[in-house]
Order: sequence, then C-alpha cells, then structure tokens
Amino acid sequence: DQQVKQNSPSLSVQEGRISILNCDYTNSMFDYFLWYKKYPAEGPTFLISISSIKDKNEDGRFTVFLNKSAKHLSLHIVPSQPGDSAVYFCAASGDNYGQNFVFGPGTRLSVLP
Amino acid sequence: NAGVTQTPKFRVLKTGQSMTLLCAQDMNHEYMYWYRQDPGMGLRLIHYSVGEGTTAKGEVPDGYNVSRLKKQNFLLGLESAAPSQTSVYFCASSSLGRGNQPQHFGDGTRLSIL
Repeated sequence: DQQVKQNSPSLSVQEGRISILNCDYTNSMFDYFLWYKKYPAEGPTFLISISSIKDKNEDGRFTVFLNKSAKHLSLHIVPSQPGDSAVYFCAASGDNYGQNFVFGPGTRLSVLP
Repeated sequence: NAGVTQTPKFRVLKTGQSMTLLCAQDMNHEYMYWYRQDPGMGLRLIHYSVGEGTTAKGEVPDGYNVSRLKKQNFLLGLESAAPSQTSVYFCASSSLGRGNQPQHFGDGTRLSIL
C-alpha cells in the first residue's frame, strides 16, 4: 500500500498558466514533505520543502501548500514555463523514519508553449 | 563540483551474473542511499548508510548487498542478477539524517537483466 500517492500520472498546462500538482499521504507521522523535479536521464533535484508546522512555503514561482487534516499537499507553479516540463516527485519523512524518505510515483508535467 | 557520480550509466547483464554499481560523492556527506525506480512507482530505498563503515536495509534490500568502506563511496552489489532487478538505480547523499534535509542524487544507472 503506497503511503505517498500522486494520483495524476500526467498533467498538461499552457505556458504562463498555473500548474498544480497534488500529493496525498496516509501516515500521520510524516513531518516533512519535499518536492523533487526530474528531467529525463538525470537524477531528481530538490525543489522545495515544507515542515508540518507550516501550511505554506514559497520559493519564487514555486509554492507548496500543506493541509495536515486532509493529509494533502500541493505544488503550485506560477507562471508555468516550458522548462518546467519534467516529472515531479513528492516525498515524505518523519522522525519515525529517521533519514529515510517515502516517495510518490511522480507526475509528469508538460508545459505547452 | 561533481556532486554525486554513478558508474556505470548503462549495463546489460545476463541472469545469474554479478556486478557492482559505484557511487561517489565529493560533498563530504555522511549519509548515502541507494534507490531503485520502476515504472509507475516512486523511488524505493534499497540500502542506506549513516556513515563510513555502516550500512542498513531499506524497503527492498533482498538480492542486493552494499559496502561503505570510504566515506565518499557507496557500492551496490548484485551477487546473482535476476530479471526482476531490471531497473534504474539512483544513488543519493545528504549531509544530515533529518527528514527535512534534501538528498542529492546522481544521474542514475540503467540496468537490464536478460
């Protein structure tokens, strides 16, 4: 049973519009959530994170929202650019996991010019 | 700054053969990890290390062994390759073992077992 779910395998968005990528988790013990971005033939790279004590974190065009009661987080990209086209992974961790993360299956974002 | 380097990038093996994947990091990180990524699934942790000379099992350790003889290197071994081990393997490292510390990934090794 997947503890971190990304129910949309793919998403297409027009350039300049908002991209919203969703992630749901089942383990209430998760304390930290990270988003990674992955281009083909490259490893994932860290994008943005959020702690469970916050409900929002911004970094430039990227904002992550956390709804603990719903066990849901989302990544907003505004405005979307063609270079944002990649696979986005949500990852979660908690004190009971130590240094280990649980990754979602990823969402492939395509930003159309 | 190379970051995390994985060797080789591609490999094809026959069932029953053995091989070692090498991961090297130049960031002086204590923690290192091996993941595998399969279609439709997230990265799954195979083994990890919290420092030189230490290793521990992750979520899917069966069929793999690891060693961390030097701080900068983390080796993943397949003693007797099976088709189920066909996957893309990623190595990662991090400076601290806290949950909010991002991991730095290599570019992966694509391994096919025939």
